[in-house]
Amino acid sequence: DAGVTQSPTHLIKTRGQQVTLRCSPKSGHDTVSWYQQALGQGPQFIFQYYEEEERQRGNFPDRFSGHQFPNYSSELNVNALLLGDSALYLCASSLILAGAPSTDTQYFGPGTRLTVL
Amino acid sequence: QQQVKQSPQSLIVQKGGISIINCAYENTAFDYFPWYQQFPGKGPALLIAIRPDVSEKKEGRFTISFNKSAKQFSLHIMDSQPGDSATYFCAASTVQAGTALIFGKGTTLSVSS
Repeated sequence: DAGVTQSPTHLIKTRGQQVTLRCSPKSGHDTVSWYQQALGQGPQFIFQYYEEEERQRGNFPDRFSGHQFPNYSSELNVNALLLGDSALYLCASSLILAGAPSTDTQYFGPGTRLTVL
Repeated sequence: QQQVKQSPQSLIVQKGGISIINCAYENTAFDYFPWYQQFPGKGPALLIAIRPDVSEKKEGRFTISFNKSAKQFSLHIMDSQPGDSATYFCAASTVQAGTALIFGKGTTLSVSS
């Protein structure tokens, strides 16, 4: 059973550039959440996608945008990169079952380490 | 505004000892409280989770204690082993599936042999 996968593993960009990170959810999951983890901090929620729509959003600027594809995979885009965007970006997948007991279990991928110079 | 406060920031425990990490929350709407374990260079992995309708949940050497009135919960690691050395995060969310997890700042545990 494939877990959550993310690509690339590492990425180096310069200020002002744009970046796209990719995530494939755990098999059978339909919901993808993105988190930003700065060094020495806990993950912070960016947004969540379900049924190809943004379902929830954390306190992040519009420079952060996303997309979910029909196969449930997802992309995180960050425009006009700032030095402060350097972090580990984590993708987590979960399952929303309409009309059934729900689970909040979110499974995390290994993350993409983004460095902005 | 930090909604989940975690302590201590770091912890050193002898092999075989008990590791205790505490978290306090503010939002009374939270009703799902997981603990995640993270090793360097890896994503967080779910360790154990609890809902507020029970005061304690045990899985192997890991136990969550929950105090709803005090809005606090804690992780106890019994018989701590060097392989438990990692960063531990408490988190909280509402019951609806997939709702955003609010994480504490983490506790770095070192188990000395």
